[in-house]
Amino acid sequence: DQQVKQNSPSLSVQEGRISILNCDYTNSMFDYFLWYKKYPAEGPTFLISISSIKDKNEDGRFTVFLNKSAKHLSLHIVPSQPGDSAVYFCAASGSGGGADGLTFGKGTHLIIQP
Amino acid sequence: DVKVTQSSRYLVKRTGEKVFLECVQDMDHENMFWYRQDPGLGLRLIYFSYDVKMKEKGDIPEGYSVSREKKERFSLILESASTNQTSMYLCASIAAPNTGELFFGEGSRLTVL
Repeated sequence: DQQVKQNSPSLSVQEGRISILNCDYTNSMFDYFLWYKKYPAEGPTFLISISSIKDKNEDGRFTVFLNKSAKHLSLHIVPSQPGDSAVYFCAASGSGGGADGLTFGKGTHLIIQP
Repeated sequence: DVKVTQSSRYLVKRTGEKVFLECVQDMDHENMFWYRQDPGLGLRLIYFSYDVKMKEKGDIPEGYSVSREKKERFSLILESASTNQTSMYLCASIAAPNTGELFFGEGSRLTVL
């Protein structure tokens, strides 16, 4: 049973516009939510995280919003740049702080069009 | 600088061969992980370790084993490689225990013929 879901396998956005990537989860015990970015033939790199007690976290062009009642989070990238083209993974950790690993979604391939 | 190093970036092996994937981290982290990444399936946890000689099964341990003889080194072993184990293998250590943030190596692309 998939506990972290990214329902859009791909998303195409024009350069300079806002990119919004969505993620849903089913496990209400998740404590932290994280976003990773992955280029082909490279390991994922950490982008931004949010605690379950917050509803927003911002870091430069990246903002993550958390709606606990809907079990939904989203990553906003403003403005989108060509280098943002990558696969984005949503991930969650439990109350153990991730000591037993993160649970990942299947990823969304973001394509930034010039 | 933080570093997780996977010894082989690309490997080609034959069905039935024994395969070792090595991972070394230089951050003195206790928790280390092996994931595999397949298109459309995301990252799936194979095994993890929270201490030397300790190991725990992840979500898809079948066909794999691991070894953690030293704190900095975590090896993934395919006892008899099969074609359905063709994948990108990713090693990670835990960078921030409170959030669960993982630091990943660059990955090992394994092709089993």
